[in-house]
Amino acid sequence: NAGVTQTPKFQVLKTGQSMTLQCAQDMNHNSMYWYRQDPGMGLRLIYYSASEGTTDKGEVPNGYNVSRLNKREFSLRLESAAPSQTSVYFCASSEAAGISANEQFFGPGTRLTVL
Amino acid sequence: QQPVQSPQAVILREGEDAVINCSSSKALYSVHWYRQKHGEAPVFLMILLKGGEQKGHEKISASFNEKKQQSSLYLTASQLSYSGTYFCGTVAGGTSYGKLTFGQGTILTVHP
Repeated sequence: NAGVTQTPKFQVLKTGQSMTLQCAQDMNHNSMYWYRQDPGMGLRLIYYSASEGTTDKGEVPNGYNVSRLNKREFSLRLESAAPSQTSVYFCASSEAAGISANEQFFGPGTRLTVL
Repeated sequence: QQPVQSPQAVILREGEDAVINCSSSKALYSVHWYRQKHGEAPVFLMILLKGGEQKGHEKISASFNEKKQQSSLYLTASQLSYSGTYFCGTVAGGTSYGKLTFGQGTILTVHP
């Protein structure tokens, strides 16, 4: 099993460009998440999908959109990239979200720089 | 609101013990602990649920004080492999139902 995979691993964009970060999991998990990690800020939730067909905003959703394409795949789109979106982006998945949230499995991350 | 971790950084020698604390201003349903090594993804350590249930690795111990909304991670007889950044994540009720909110992290360095 590959676990959680993310593409690309590195990306450099110019301000105003758009791009989509791809994430896929092969563990048959119901819930998937997108986080960004900035120095000294820990991990901040951008969007999550508790189950196939649903998505919900996290702490820092502005400037991002997501699509839960199917149970395996959850993509994150930056429509018009800004320097403030320079960060490391992690995708994660778990069996379920909610009160009894299970452990989350993280992908290797995408290092994005916006010039 | 982000949970607060303390201390921000700890330096140990192999074999020494450390405690990392996590505190929230919200009523919590569960606390999660993760470790992240430099340049890598976070890795799950433990979940502590309201009511006392715990799920996680046998060699890791932690506590969850539901009344104080605080959790502590206990690292005993530290090894070089324990080095990394430790994050607590909290699941609270109300409008943040189901969302895991992470603290800012505690950097642990273990020297030989």
